[in-house]
Amino acid sequence: GENVEQHPSTLSVQEGDSAVIKCTYSDSASNYFPWYKQELGKRPQLIIDIRSNVGEKKDQRIAVTLNKTAKHFSLHITETQPEDSAVYFCAASRIQGAQKLVFGQGTRLTINP
Amino acid sequence: NAGVMQNPRHLVRRRGQEARLRCSPMKGHSHVYWYRQLPEEGLKFMVYLQKENIIDESGMPKERFSAEFPKEGPSILRIQQVVRGDSAAYFCASSPTRTDTQYFGPGTRLTVL
Repeated sequence: GENVEQHPSTLSVQEGDSAVIKCTYSDSASNYFPWYKQELGKRPQLIIDIRSNVGEKKDQRIAVTLNKTAKHFSLHITETQPEDSAVYFCAASRIQGAQKLVFGQGTRLTINP
Repeated sequence: NAGVMQNPRHLVRRRGQEARLRCSPMKGHSHVYWYRQLPEEGLKFMVYLQKENIIDESGMPKERFSAEFPKEGPSILRIQQVVRGDSAAYFCASSPTRTDTQYFGPGTRLTVL
């Protein structure tokens, strides 16, 4: 089955700097890759997703890149702000068939003012 | 459009009791997924249901756990004879179709004494 590895487990950056979180996956049939943000005690919220027919997607300060050959994808947050502090999870799934999401272990991102 | 609703938000049970967790998907969503999150860990898929059907239960323990999504009413995750290791946050997610984004509920935090 699918296995998703996420790095780093913790990340601390200065406000205004960029943050990058990386994930690798094992199932070459996976073709949908969402990123969720989870604040303490709250629900996971989708912040961006990418499907395998594109290599990059951007939404304001957030971007995701996908390298299908290497089976890895990354989340990039630019101009970080204190409210970006949270745990971020990557996930992978196949769009066809049961779309169960396989999550990475999470990255705790701290933005230092 | 109300989001995914879960109740109760917090549930305390003693070992050996039963726990019933409810999930009302977003309006128009007929696909429900249940995930479990242990403290400081990522989310693990448990079961995927459509109205009146279990599509994929590959992540659900074979014993003590069951799920349903009746024609009318919420989806129910039932845990019989709870043990301390069942203590976790249980999240459900819903989507309008099998291939659409999953939106998460606020979760039920189960504590087994």
